[in-house]
Amino acid sequence: DVKVTQSSRYLVKRTGEKVFLECVQDMDHENMFWYRQDPGLGLRLIYFSYDVKMKEKGDIPEGYSVSREKKERFSLILESASTNQTSMYLCASSTQGAPQHFGDGTRLSIL
Amino acid sequence: QQPVQSPQAVILREGEDAVINCSSSKALYSVHWYRQKHGEAPVFLMILLKGGEQKGHEKISASFNEKKQQSSLYLTASQLSYSGTYFCGTEVTGGFKTIFGAGTRLFVKA
Repeated sequence: DVKVTQSSRYLVKRTGEKVFLECVQDMDHENMFWYRQDPGLGLRLIYFSYDVKMKEKGDIPEGYSVSREKKERFSLILESASTNQTSMYLCASSTQGAPQHFGDGTRLSIL
Repeated sequence: QQPVQSPQAVILREGEDAVINCSSSKALYSVHWYRQKHGEAPVFLMILLKGGEQKGHEKISASFNEKKQQSSLYLTASQLSYSGTYFCGTEVTGGFKTIFGAGTRLFVKA
């Protein structure tokens, strides 16, 4: 069965910390995505990657960066965490332009 | 711009039908539908490309009217397992920037 695995289900960090969210997929998909999900706003695209070392900004990239050194792994980095980055973060992979397989999500709280 | 979904929420009895709509102010290349159950990851249901095609998956089907920039998801003879939040995602250029609607909450009761 296809699998997208996010490293943590719940994470609590402090403002100003550098935060790493990891995502691994086992389907050999070229495309990977990071979204955040907030009530009433749906899913918003932060960054996506269509190949190793390739990355593109989504709709809300400010305050975030990403890394894709290997095809199966796509990392989201919060450079200096702020309280407005408290959210549910979802990673996804796909063979097409839209996300197909999502991870279970990381609920991140910034105190 | 975020597509508009309607209704925001709907309550059904088992066996009843429902329609969820997704409208965009921009010309669309494709529309995607997902279902998310509480505490779980979204599950991809189907993708519709421009051309007015209709797709189906058991008792869940969808249509895409590219002239009206809207898509509808049809749930027939609903089951308890259909409960969840349904999201549409729209693409304008055929690229990677899918924009999601705010979601429609569907609750099916026995």
